[in-house]
Amino acid sequence: DIVMTQSPDSLAVSLGERATINCKSSQSLLYGGNNKDYLAWYQQRPGQPPKLLIYWASTRESGVPDRFSGSGSGTHFTLTISSLQAEDVAVYYCHQYYTTPRTFGQGTKVEIK
Amino acid sequence: EVQLVDSGGDLVQPGGSLRLSCEASGFSFNNAWMSWVRQAPGKGLEWVGRITSKTEGATTDYAAPVKGRFTISRDDSKNTVYLQMNSLKTEDTATYYCTRYFDSDGYPTYFDFWGLGTLVTVSS
Repeated sequence: DIVMTQSPDSLAVSLGERATINCKSSQSLLYGGNNKDYLAWYQQRPGQPPKLLIYWASTRESGVPDRFSGSGSGTHFTLTISSLQAEDVAVYYCHQYYTTPRTFGQGTKVEIK
Repeated sequence: EVQLVDSGGDLVQPGGSLRLSCEASGFSFNNAWMSWVRQAPGKGLEWVGRITSKTEGATTDYAAPVKGRFTISRDDSKNTVYLQMNSLKTEDTATYYCTRYFDSDGYPTYFDFWGLGTLVTVSS
């Protein structure tokens, strides 16, 4: 199974400041056949189901604010919130869809400082 | 508008059984691969299993912790996917989410839509 490891487990950021979450996979998520990374990011607000933010490591889902961006390739990925807003308080998960079983990172809790 | 409505969660004793349902609307259900993902209280996300479309044989695959105990099925006439859970254990306590795979050129990829979830509590 591919193990997904996020860091940090939690972080507190001031409103308007940048938040950065890292995700590392135990094997490469880059498929040579199409040169795409099979990595997604989800946001889970308290009491809600996860919501898709980013797929193919860096493609923003429709309707997601452009302050959210994804980067990285291979085994190292990053989710960046460029200017934290109050509504961004949530747990964020990375997810590999390169192979089955699908696996997720353990989650990173983002709070307001 | 795509909607997934999970239901069937309940309190059940260890060793018992339960069937969850997920009714889908707003998309072509019969072409979709569907999955269940669970989340234990205060914990992260865990993939449970999936079912392919009927045209691809409605084949199933499961995570190791539930293999042999859980069964996913679908009824395309009702736009519904089911999760039959048998021999339940306390560690199966979780909110169970129905999810849809996004189809990218015939390959099932990320989960683009999620149900609201239904809570299963296994306790004596």
